[in-house]
Formats: sequence, C-alpha cells, structure tokens
Amino acid sequence: QKEVEQDPGPLSVPEGAIVSLNCTYSNSAFQYFMWYRQYSRKGPELLMYTYSSGNKEDGRFTAQVDKSSKYISLFIRDSQPSDSATYLCAMSKGGGIQGAQKLVFGQGTRLTINP
Amino acid sequence: GAVVSQHPSRVICKSGTSVKIECRSLDFQATTMFWYRQFPKQSLMLMATSNEGSKATYEQGVEKDKFLINHASLTLSTLTVTSAHPEDSSFYICSGKETQSGRSGYTFGSGTRLTVV
Repeated sequence: QKEVEQDPGPLSVPEGAIVSLNCTYSNSAFQYFMWYRQYSRKGPELLMYTYSSGNKEDGRFTAQVDKSSKYISLFIRDSQPSDSATYLCAMSKGGGIQGAQKLVFGQGTRLTINP
Repeated sequence: GAVVSQHPSRVICKSGTSVKIECRSLDFQATTMFWYRQFPKQSLMLMATSNEGSKATYEQGVEKDKFLINHASLTLSTLTVTSAHPEDSSFYICSGKETQSGRSGYTFGSGTRLTVV
C-alpha cells in the first residue's frame, strides 16, 4: 500500500465548475499537507500549504485536511481553462523550524477544464 | 517569492557520458535540497536529500555512485548523472527548502528533461 493515494484521473470538467481533488494517506505522522500544480514539463508550483486539520482558503482555492480520516481535499471554484494541469498532493512529517523533512507525493491528478 | 533556477531545461547526451544539472536558489538560502525524478504520467520520486556541506542521503535503490550530488554552498546544488544510459532518461527536478527562518513550503526548480541516446 502506498503511503499517499491519489486518483490519477484524468478528470475533465466544464469551465466554471467546482473541482474537487482528493488524497488519502496511511501514515498518521504526517502533519504538513501541500497541494502543488504542475504544468506539462515544468516543475511543481505550490498552491496551498496547511498544517494539521482544518480549512484554508486562498482565492478560488480551498484546502481541507481531515486528520481523523487521513483525507485531504483541494477545491477549485469557478474553474478556468488555465487551471488545466496536474495537481499533486504532498505531505511531510515535519517542517518549518523543525527542519526540512522529505515530501511524499501522491500520483497526481490530471485535470482538464473545457471552455 | 522564493525561486530556484534549474539548468539546463533540456539535455540530450550520448550513452556513457556524464551530465551535470545545476540548481540555484536565487533569493533564499537552500539549507536542504531535494532531488527528484519523474517518469511520464507518474509522480515525483525522491532520489536524495542533501544538506549544505554534508554528504547526500540517498533513497533506497538509488545508486550514489551514479547520481553524484554536491551541495557545497547554500545557494547551489548539482546533480551529476555519470555514465548515463537510456534508462536514465527522465525528468529531474530539484527542490530547495530554507530551514533556518522557518519559512514554510518547498520551492521547486523548473526541471531538466534528460534524454540519453
């Protein structure tokens, strides 16, 4: 069993739709949760960074973490064609002033927003 | 925001030759640098972790003598693929993290597509 599971998709939705992306994980030691967006042949770009359980909102993006269920989500409101990319969830056991901890990535979900 | 500059973006080399990939943190000190490889339609797989001034720590199954990592300064880390073979063709990405100030997040380079012919 992988430490982080993510449906690879592909996921295709019409412009303006609300997109829901999810990851589950098995290691309860994970404390930091991230969502990255990766365009084709480019490096990942950090979208959201969350510590422990709860919600975090940034513009059209909302990240949710439910540690009790070991489940994280990313919601994209009013989706745009420019949101078409691969979205990767990532998590780590420690970070910040505790020192760098390696990230464990999900497989990534390929998302296409159709005009 | 934090930027990691990675070069080259694409490289084609002959089998048996070596290739060096550079990652520079432009506006922060990357105390730790992570090196990943990514095959098409797959996720990032961590190859090694390097801390400035120390030897890199390699993940299980990654040959340290084949993938040489140098992190001699807080702003520069290099990955050298030695005696490259076609199976080494992949997308290599570095990621820098500043640990001294406690800033969150990991900054990724733009990646290097290596093709070995």
